[in-house]
Amino acid sequence: RKEVEQDPGPFNVPEGATVAFNCTYSNSASQSFFWYRQDCRKEPKLLMSVYSSGNEDGRFTAQLNRASQYISLLIRDSKLSDSATYLCVVNLPGSRGSQGNLIFGKGTKLSVKP
Amino acid sequence: SQTIHQWPATLVQPVGSPLSLECTVEGTSNPNLYWYRQAAGRGLQLLFYSVGIGQISSEVPQNLSASRPQDRQFILSSKKLLLSDSGFYLCAWMWGLNTEAFFGQGTRLTVV
Repeated sequence: RKEVEQDPGPFNVPEGATVAFNCTYSNSASQSFFWYRQDCRKEPKLLMSVYSSGNEDGRFTAQLNRASQYISLLIRDSKLSDSATYLCVVNLPGSRGSQGNLIFGKGTKLSVKP
Repeated sequence: SQTIHQWPATLVQPVGSPLSLECTVEGTSNPNLYWYRQAAGRGLQLLFYSVGIGQISSEVPQNLSASRPQDRQFILSSKKLLLSDSGFYLCAWMWGLNTEAFFGQGTRLTVV
């Protein structure tokens, strides 16, 4: 089983649609969780952290279910500018106290069409 | 504020040539530093990480190496490039455990 798995996509949706991204992780020792956005040929950029209580930032809502080892991202009222690849990221504790390793999913590409 | 610089942005190198990619971080001290590679159509693969000067850990066997000669400098090297080394190389830094990573703009390497 891969450490972080995401929907393979791509997702092609019209403007205004609601889009849901799903992600599962295999290591129960994972301690923090993120969604990153990567535009074509650019570096990944943090979209939002994911907390057990769930968190919302405008049109974006992230949820974490530790029991199921499942993470989700919901985008409401999608815009053309939301077109990008969305990466699910899990932080695993390292062998030394202060070091964490980020494990990335392969990403799900989203294309929002007019 | 913290910034991370990575260069060059693009690089075309012949098979068998050496490689040196440099990454520097400003505005923080003792960061955890990382080198990732993203091959075409694939996810990010962690290559090396460093928790301090001279401390390098390798995640995958390969013909690449990394060094950290200064606190905020991280270098990725190869003595002889292979075609399979082509990809998008990303340097990143983190405060530590449970924190997010911040990425440099990446180097797109094509080995020909």
